[in-house]
Amino acid sequence: DAGITQSPRHKVTETGTPVTLRCHQTENHRYMYWYRQDPGHGLRLIHYSYGVKDTDKGEVSDGYSVSRSKTEDFLLTLESATSSQTSVYFCAIKPGGPQETQYFGPGTRLLVL
Amino acid sequence: AQTVTQSQPEMSVQEAETVTLSCTYDTSESDYYLFWYKQPPSRQMILVIRQEAYKQQNATENRFSVNFQKAAKSFSLKISDSQLGDAAMYFCAYRSAFNTNAGKSTFGDGTTLTVKP
Repeated sequence: DAGITQSPRHKVTETGTPVTLRCHQTENHRYMYWYRQDPGHGLRLIHYSYGVKDTDKGEVSDGYSVSRSKTEDFLLTLESATSSQTSVYFCAIKPGGPQETQYFGPGTRLLVL
Repeated sequence: AQTVTQSQPEMSVQEAETVTLSCTYDTSESDYYLFWYKQPPSRQMILVIRQEAYKQQNATENRFSVNFQKAAKSFSLKISDSQLGDAAMYFCAYRSAFNTNAGKSTFGDGTTLTVKP
């Protein structure tokens, strides 16, 4: 299995509070991604990173920010959590090259009350 | 933007039988990759099989095979000799082959597969 972990694995928070999810990899892969998965839907891309300090928006980026100060860590922050951000969040990593396999973390279940 | 459609929210199959999951996609690109992922109740995303668009030959991985019809933009997954452990949600995904795409993938909404003993 690819060395990718997510923390926390479960979190319950209240509306309006800030939340930070962490993705950590030991593979030294260039690309890192944050997706969310909601019931009845596949994974939707929130943000991604193509290198240290290099990030860009995905299709559902509103209300989220990211940071990558080290190759191994990619942080997803909800500045002021809302109930619509209740979801399962997946981190993924990939080496360089579009043909490379994307590896997924175990997911973080976030509940915003 | 690319879209991926899985028209079967749920499918069921008898153990040891064969089942086919459908996926269609929309793209204007000529070079891309297609994937099937399995997500069991543990939620872990597991790559089942992938297909390069420039390859005419359909990919196979043991009991899993695809029927890739590029002109029709269709990419179905066939599971042969279904096993109880195949029960999961299956996602079809598209990825552009262009490096500027940074490996972003577009996923379908998934098909829940039930395997009956």
